[in-house]
Amino acid sequence: AQTVTQSQPEMSVQEAETVTLSCTYDTSENNYYLFWYKQPPSRQMILVIRQEAYKQQNATENRFSVNFQKAAKSFSLKISDSQLGDTAMYFCAFRHGGSQGNLIFGKGTKLSVKP
Amino acid sequence: EAGVAQSPRYKIIEKRQSVAFWCNPISGHATLYWYQQILGQGPKLLIQFQNNGVVDDSQLPKDRFSAERLKGVDSTLKIQPAKLEDSAVYLCASSLEPRLGYGYTFGSGTRLTVV
Repeated sequence: AQTVTQSQPEMSVQEAETVTLSCTYDTSENNYYLFWYKQPPSRQMILVIRQEAYKQQNATENRFSVNFQKAAKSFSLKISDSQLGDTAMYFCAFRHGGSQGNLIFGKGTKLSVKP
Repeated sequence: EAGVAQSPRYKIIEKRQSVAFWCNPISGHATLYWYQQILGQGPKLLIQFQNNGVVDDSQLPKDRFSAERLKGVDSTLKIQPAKLEDSAVYLCASSLEPRLGYGYTFGSGTRLTVV
């Protein structure tokens, strides 16, 4: 069974600085997708970034980028120029590429951006 | 496009009572999911629909939980009778082509408190 591990329950960063959130996963699949979701106090899960396992190039979305290390089964999220609005829970998630299957989430990292 | 709509936003009930949650996914999204998120944890899948058929309900406590998706659009999730441990946020999500790695779009969830 696939598992997703986020080893940092809480992180904090000063506004405008850079922070990296860690995620590791376990799977025997070769075709899968990885995601980072943000969940602010409003509770709505918002997709931040996604990565296809077959792509070697790391995904980037504006201030958000990932470091995808397939052999190490690691998928970390880097947030550059942190903003107060980045304060939220961040969840790493995995989905294999088959027709069935669903998103499997880690326990989350609570990120606080301090002014 | 309109997002995933969920109602109610909050619900407080006594144990052994029944409760129902409603979800309207994004138009055209064939796949619909119900997740349970207990405080301090990542969301956990309860049930997955493809159109109006159930794909995966292996983690749905069927002695008390039921769900349906009539006409492949709206869905309802019911709990009867509720237990204290059912206190959680219930998230609905939909996806266009999850097998191709499309992200899921989540609603704002229903926070259920069982007293």
